[in-house]
Amino acid sequence: DSGVTQTPKHLITATGQRVTLRCSPRSGDLSVYWYQQSLDQGLQFLIQYYNGEERAKGNILERFSAQQFPDLHSELNLSSLELGDSALYFCASSPGGSQFQPQHFGDGTRLSIL
Amino acid sequence: GQNIDQPTEMTATEGAIVQINCTYQTSGFNGLFWYQQHAGEAPTFLSYNVLDGLEEKGRFSSFLSRSKGYSYLLLKELQMKDSASYLCAVRDLGNAGNMLTFGGGTRLMVKP
Repeated sequence: DSGVTQTPKHLITATGQRVTLRCSPRSGDLSVYWYQQSLDQGLQFLIQYYNGEERAKGNILERFSAQQFPDLHSELNLSSLELGDSALYFCASSPGGSQFQPQHFGDGTRLSIL
Repeated sequence: GQNIDQPTEMTATEGAIVQINCTYQTSGFNGLFWYQQHAGEAPTFLSYNVLDGLEEKGRFSSFLSRSKGYSYLLLKELQMKDSASYLCAVRDLGNAGNMLTFGGGTRLMVKP
């Protein structure tokens, strides 16, 4: 158990809909990262937050947004969903912005678009 | 940008040793991580290299050569439970945060 909690574990919805994925980092971790993993793309970095502020951005679509709240949990919002958005979405956390700290991953949310 | 290459699949025998290679190209290298991921599960951290040389952790070791843009993960005394994907990830000096760029992963199958 990494200590990173993601909900829900599974989500099934239709094209055009909007969903929110939630992540609680390990106790004491200030940084939260979101990744997308699909069969043909591997693990792709989306966005990082550190203590409530956006720190780094990857290839995140404009239809996707995220935020980190004062209690440090984070939410990833996906809107106008398309079939290609079906993937595993992982959240990871680390203590801070330091380069020498590994990221610990949650169990992921499996999103299926029908 | 970054380019990370790993073999797609490897097969090895229980009890043997296997070496999984990773080559990378980056504008500003700042550390290389190895993760293990069982199918449908979360990646779990295995090792971290930022300086050249070998880091040993039990049955797993990781090696880095920054001048060659090359790393490998060495797994000794293979067990059936080691069947998983192994992900190489690089951190680049160029980004302000701690984002990692992952390779496509190497799927290792351990046979009896």
